[in-house]
Parts: sequence; structure tokens; C-alpha cells
Amino acid sequence: DGGITQSPKYLFRKEGQNVTLSCEQNLNHDAMYWYRQDPGQGLRLIYYSQIVNDFQKGDIAEGYSVSREKKESFPLTVTSAQKNPTAFYLCASSNQISYGYTFGSGTRLTVV
Amino acid sequence: AQRVTQPEKLLSVFKGAPVELKCNYSYSGSPELFWYVQYSRQRLQLLLRHISRESIKGFTADLNKGETSFHLKKPFAQEEDSAMYYCALKGDTGFQKLVFGTGTRLLVSP
Repeated sequence: DGGITQSPKYLFRKEGQNVTLSCEQNLNHDAMYWYRQDPGQGLRLIYYSQIVNDFQKGDIAEGYSVSREKKESFPLTVTSAQKNPTAFYLCASSNQISYGYTFGSGTRLTVV
Repeated sequence: AQRVTQPEKLLSVFKGAPVELKCNYSYSGSPELFWYVQYSRQRLQLLLRHISRESIKGFTADLNKGETSFHLKKPFAQEEDSAMYYCALKGDTGFQKLVFGTGTRLLVSP
């Protein structure tokens, strides 16, 4: 069954800690994306990757880092430098974007 | 710059009433527009694309380049239409990525 899997579903982090959110897809999609979803602000692009070993910053990349060592995987690290990390994080992938994205189910990160 | 504006945060209608969710965009080139929907406890999913000119679940949307709009319409709302709706734009240059609006929550009451 093809799709995108994000884990964990819920994540709690103490201030000052780095955390990594997982995103795996078995759709054979080349492009992958990370968005942050906040109430009233819609989806804002954090990072995106067109191909393996290549990625670019989106609109709100500060305090985040990513890697793309495998086509199937695009993990997002939320570092301690991110000033307001509590949010809902969405991963997506696409091949031909005219057909739109396929989204994961999201990870809700809470800083405690 | 690419920008998508959804002026309404919440749209509340009664079952059977017509629905129009507004979307305006700012882009100087030739855009592709999309509507995505997020039902309660479900993942965000594509509802329709302007290039396919399709009707999904009774919803339609027409790209109006003169008014730079892509409003989502349905003649008779159903309770199961209650969800969060996002309008998104893809530009025709550079890397292909979507820019999303802030979303409109549609609430259909019985």
C-alpha cells in the first residue's frame, strides 16, 4: 500500500533539545517537502528536496535542518535554535506536481 | 512573489445552502491552482485542480485570470462537507512547489 508515513504522531520536547521528525514514502516520488501548519497561518514551507542529496530552504527554514540521503526518506530536525517550535508538521511528496502533493498524516510537536 | 489569499477564516452555512469559498492569488506568470481539503482527523488531500476542470463531491472551481481568483463553489452544501479548505498555487518557473493560503474552515449545520 503506497503512501507517506510520518512518525511519531505526537512528540514532546524539552526546551534546548533537538528532535527529529521522520518522513518515509514508498511512492517513488522524486520531490519531498516539509510544511509547518499553524492556526490562522496556513501551511508554510520549511524545506524541500527535488532529488537525493539535494535540498533547499523554504520560507521559514531558520532553526530547522534536513537531509535527503535516500529517495524514500526526508527527516526534519527541529533544533534548539527554533524559537517557536510547537506546531503541526506535515511532510509531502510529489512527482508531477500538476497532480498535486501526497501528504503524510503529520506530527504534532509540543515543547514543554 | 507568489501569494494566495483566503479572506474568510470561517464560513458557516446551513445544509442545502450554496457555498462559495474565496481564493485570490498574486502571480505574474501562468499559475496552476489547487484546492485541498482536510476533514477532521484525516490527512490533507487534493480536492481538485483547475487544469482538470473536474467536479469532485459536487465542488467546482473556475480560474478567473482577470480577477486572479479561484473560488470553490458547491450549489447545495452537505454536513459532510465540513472541513478545512486550502487554496494553493504553483508557479510556472523555477522549482515546482505549492504556496498555500491560510485556509477557510467550512461548517455546515443541519
